[in-house]
Amino acid sequence: AQKVTQAQTEISVVEKEDVTLDCVYETRDTTYYLFWYKQPPSGELVFLIRRNSFDEQNEISGRYSWNFQKSTSSFNFTITASQVVDSAVYFCALSELRNFNKFYFGSGTKLNVKP
Amino acid sequence: KAGVTQTPRYLIKTRGQQVTLSCSPISGHRSVSWYQQTPGQGLQFLFEYFSETQRNKGNFPGRFSGRQFSNSRSEMNVSTLELGDSALYLCASSLGQPTYNSPLHFGNGTRLTVT
Repeated sequence: AQKVTQAQTEISVVEKEDVTLDCVYETRDTTYYLFWYKQPPSGELVFLIRRNSFDEQNEISGRYSWNFQKSTSSFNFTITASQVVDSAVYFCALSELRNFNKFYFGSGTKLNVKP
Repeated sequence: KAGVTQTPRYLIKTRGQQVTLSCSPISGHRSVSWYQQTPGQGLQFLFEYFSETQRNKGNFPGRFSGRQFSNSRSEMNVSTLELGDSALYLCASSLGQPTYNSPLHFGNGTRLTVT
């Protein structure tokens, strides 16, 4: 069975703090894809990153970085020096090669960044 | 490039009625997927259309249906509305192949309220 767990329901930090959002996934497939999306109050899901199961290289994009570890089935997301504009709900998602556009989403983590 | 456009943004319907939601994908995208987002169940996959054919379907009753036109635009229909159908309905488009540069791009959603 496919499953994505985001255990942190809500996190509050003060601006400029670093914050890590956790994501643990479950799949029996050997080829799968992991994603992070950001959902601001407007409702639109904004794509942040996609990783393939065979590419465990960590990625950094500006203040954002992602740590993919197959050994622990985790795909964690870190925001360095958080800003108020980072406040949103963040979703981790999984899809498998055979149904690659069928996403299994986690329940989301609401991030509140206070000035 | 214009993003995914969903209309209308808001809908209020009465139990027993039916509703049609519309989605225009990003130009060149041939795949359109629909997701339902509720506070209780989170984000759930409804179905995906590719080149006018339903390619994948989630676990929703037959009251939920969709179609895709030759220009890739898609509509989703819900018949005999129930209170539990109140949700944010998100449409997403992609090129339709599991290539690295083809994540799902989401629209702003249609918020449906059933009274």
